[in-house]
Amino acid sequence: EDQVTQSPEALRLQEGESSSLNCSYTVSGLRGLFWYRQDPGKGPEFLFTLYSAGEEKEKERLKATLTKKESFLHITAPKPEDSATYLCAANTNAGKSTFGDGTTLTVKP
Amino acid sequence: DTAVSQTPKYLVTQMGNDKSIKCEQNLGHDTMYWYKQDSKKFLKIMFSYNNKELIINETVPNRFSPKSPDKAHLNLHINSLELGDSAVYFCASSPVSERTIYFGEGSWLTVV
Repeated sequence: EDQVTQSPEALRLQEGESSSLNCSYTVSGLRGLFWYRQDPGKGPEFLFTLYSAGEEKEKERLKATLTKKESFLHITAPKPEDSATYLCAANTNAGKSTFGDGTTLTVKP
Repeated sequence: DTAVSQTPKYLVTQMGNDKSIKCEQNLGHDTMYWYKQDSKKFLKIMFSYNNKELIINETVPNRFSPKSPDKAHLNLHINSLELGDSAVYFCASSPVSERTIYFGEGSWLTVV
């Protein structure tokens, strides 16, 4: 069975304090690893797709990386507006996306 | 312009009732989904339709029945609602070639 696990469950940072979120996956036939951001009361919003080990994508203070077993979302010098729940999802050749249960990030000013 | 819109946003209903949630996407995508997000934020796929055809049907009680009148619409009907059905239900869509999923704002269902 496909599994996606995210850690930590919750992360509290001071503004400017860099850190990383982890997404470990065990799936058959990975087609793409996706990162989403979800704000309270909203639907998840697409951030990145990574397709192969070694690939990196960047957007403002966020950088996503991928290995054969896990993906990291690095947050550099976060700001309070980066506070949200970050979800990763593994999409497989079968066409199904399995989501992790998210990391809730809180950035204090 | 809302890309994926679902109604109602909030729904409070009694056990045993039947209710529907409607979803429409104006992105021209071929694939539409229903996801359920429980109180622990875990997002789990329920159904997936491609061009009005059911392609993914996870282990979901028969009380849940999706209906896709055309490829821009995917409605969810729930019969005999139970307390455990309380959750946020997200409609979503994606282009077949890309697999990026675009979510609606969610429908908060509370069964009392």
